[in-house]
Amino acid sequence: AQSVTQLDSQVPVFEEAPVELRCNYSSSVSVYLFWYVQYPNQGLQLLLKYLSGSTLVKGINGFEAEFNKSQTSFHLRKPSVHISDTAEYFCAVLVLLDMRFGAGTRLTVKP
Amino acid sequence: NAGVTQTPKFRVLKTGQSMTLLCAQDMNHEYMYWYRQDPGMGLRLIHYSVGEGTTAKGEVPDGYNVSRLKKQNFLLGLESAAPSQTSVYFCASSFQSNEQFFGPGTRLTVL
Repeated sequence: AQSVTQLDSQVPVFEEAPVELRCNYSSSVSVYLFWYVQYPNQGLQLLLKYLSGSTLVKGINGFEAEFNKSQTSFHLRKPSVHISDTAEYFCAVLVLLDMRFGAGTRLTVKP
Repeated sequence: NAGVTQTPKFRVLKTGQSMTLLCAQDMNHEYMYWYRQDPGMGLRLIHYSVGEGTTAKGEVPDGYNVSRLKKQNFLLGLESAAPSQTSVYFCASSFQSNEQFFGPGTRLTVL
């Protein structure tokens, strides 16, 4: 089965700084890739998804991610973060109906 | 539209008790899912359904049962709760094998 590794469990960053949250996956077949955000005591909200086509995907709240097939990565980036971006971020890989999530990266934005 | 709703929001059980978690969606989605979220482990799929009257096992199905009697509802049952089932449970739905929409979660504690 496919699997996801989020390389950083916690990422502290200062407000207005750029950030990259790293995600690697493994799969023997083609996949769909997703980034979700979870604010405290809430469900998951979709940030962006890669299904096919352009490898650079733009999402909500100024986030973007790049699909790199050769490195099996799908890193999430934002050029300038805000305090309100503090949350947990999950990378996920989908094969047919089987969605596998990474363990999550807690992004903390400091003033 | 309410999207995906879950009932109850919180529940405390004693070991051996049973309970049912209810998930409802008003988006006319065919596919529905139950996940559990544990610290440091991301979300793991318990069971899923591809349509009314059908269910299938996910990654961690043991100790749980599900039913999909109506298209808009997906029930998760615990017949004999164990402390290892203490977790946050999320329901999700999707139109196709694609983006999943999540409910707000149910926090379950088994003493």
